[in-house]
Amino acid sequence: AQSVTQPDIHITVSEGASLELRCNYSYGATPYLFWYVQSPGQGLQLLLKYFSGDTLVQGIKGFEAEFKRSQSSFNLRKPSVHWSDAAEYFCAFNQAGTALIFGKGTTLSVSS
Amino acid sequence: DTGVSQNPRHKITKRGQNVTFRCDPISEHNRLYWYRQTLGQGPEFLTYFQNEAQLEKSRLLSDRFSAERPKGSFSTLEIQRTEQGDSAMYLCASADMSTEAFFGQGTRLTVV
Repeated sequence: AQSVTQPDIHITVSEGASLELRCNYSYGATPYLFWYVQSPGQGLQLLLKYFSGDTLVQGIKGFEAEFKRSQSSFNLRKPSVHWSDAAEYFCAFNQAGTALIFGKGTTLSVSS
Repeated sequence: DTGVSQNPRHKITKRGQNVTFRCDPISEHNRLYWYRQTLGQGPEFLTYFQNEAQLEKSRLLSDRFSAERPKGSFSTLEIQRTEQGDSAMYLCASADMSTEAFFGQGTRLTVV
């Protein structure tokens, strides 16, 4: 079955510390991969995407993600977290034009 | 272009009433998607349109749900005889063939 697994439901990181959010997908081929961020009561904002090519992709707000085909993973990273990064993060995938399949999300809290 | 617009942002309704939500996609985006998101979960796909044609419906879309996109521009999602289990955030997204999906702010439905 096609699915996305985000194994960490909730992560707390100190402000200024590095961050890695994990994402694994289950799909028969290499899909298009995405990370979205959602603040409380808001819609989803795209952080970054992977379609093909360089497996390390850069996004907005200083985020990056690395696609590892052998591990079916697309982990999100940020070298130094800011308090404004506290939000819920969703990993998702699709094939061109099809509906996105989302993980259940990881809630990020940032401590001072 | 102001992005994907959804109205209303919030809706409180009594059980058994009908509700209708509207989504205005980014102009020139031919694909439009509806998702439902409940607390602690990622968005779940409901249905999608390419232009005015409804091409796919999820099993989540019961007989009480109907969606239209009459002229290939805005879309409506109607829920008839609402139940408490329909309480959720309803998200709309639009895309063209070559881009990622852009999400609206969502409509939060509360059935009392």
